[in-house]
Amino acid sequence: GQQVMQIPQYQHVQEGEDFTTYCNSSTTLSNIQWYKQRPGGHPVFLIQLVKSGEVKKQKRLTFQFGEAKKNSSLHITATQTTDVGTYFCAGLPGNAGGTSYGKLTFGQGTILTVHP
Amino acid sequence: DGGITQSPKYLFRKEGQNVTLSCEQNLNHDAMYWYRQDPGQGLRLIYYSQIVNDFQKGDIAEGYSVSREKKESFPLTVTSAQKNPTAFYLCASRGDTNTEAFFGQGTRLTVV
Repeated sequence: GQQVMQIPQYQHVQEGEDFTTYCNSSTTLSNIQWYKQRPGGHPVFLIQLVKSGEVKKQKRLTFQFGEAKKNSSLHITATQTTDVGTYFCAGLPGNAGGTSYGKLTFGQGTILTVHP
Repeated sequence: DGGITQSPKYLFRKEGQNVTLSCEQNLNHDAMYWYRQDPGQGLRLIYYSQIVNDFQKGDIAEGYSVSREKKESFPLTVTSAQKNPTAFYLCASRGDTNTEAFFGQGTRLTVV
């Protein structure tokens, strides 16, 4: 079955340093989504990537979707203490579409700690 | 005020007892999901439902059961067959085939 792997599991950075988390799927994805979970909270949607090679930016966050639609990355420039939390990628299988919502599979998440 | 509600927030049960976690949404979403979250293991899919009266097993369905009798509701029962039931359980819903998931606040279940 579809597996989504995410690395690293933990990342500790000093405020102002950059941060990157990587996501790899065992199968081709129709799209990939990224979520952020603050400590003690629930996952909140950040962005969705659909097209092969797509790159999207949200302020200091840059999201990429690989050409083969099997991998993705999230890069944060100049981290701030407000970036603390767990970042998850989530993939929908390549055959999802039409009236099928598909099996939304999450990676293990990367726990980001930012030291002031 | 639209959203997805899980109750209760904290739940304690004795080993060997079945327990049902509630998940209700008023977003008119067709798809609903149950995930289990353990430290260091991310979100693992238990069951999901794409339409009323239909549901599919996720990756860790053993020891769990669900029903989808109404569009708004997707309760999860943790049975006594689940060997390690203590975890944080998250319910989510999606409104279209290409949209994001909205999560409830979660239920933290502790079995003693």
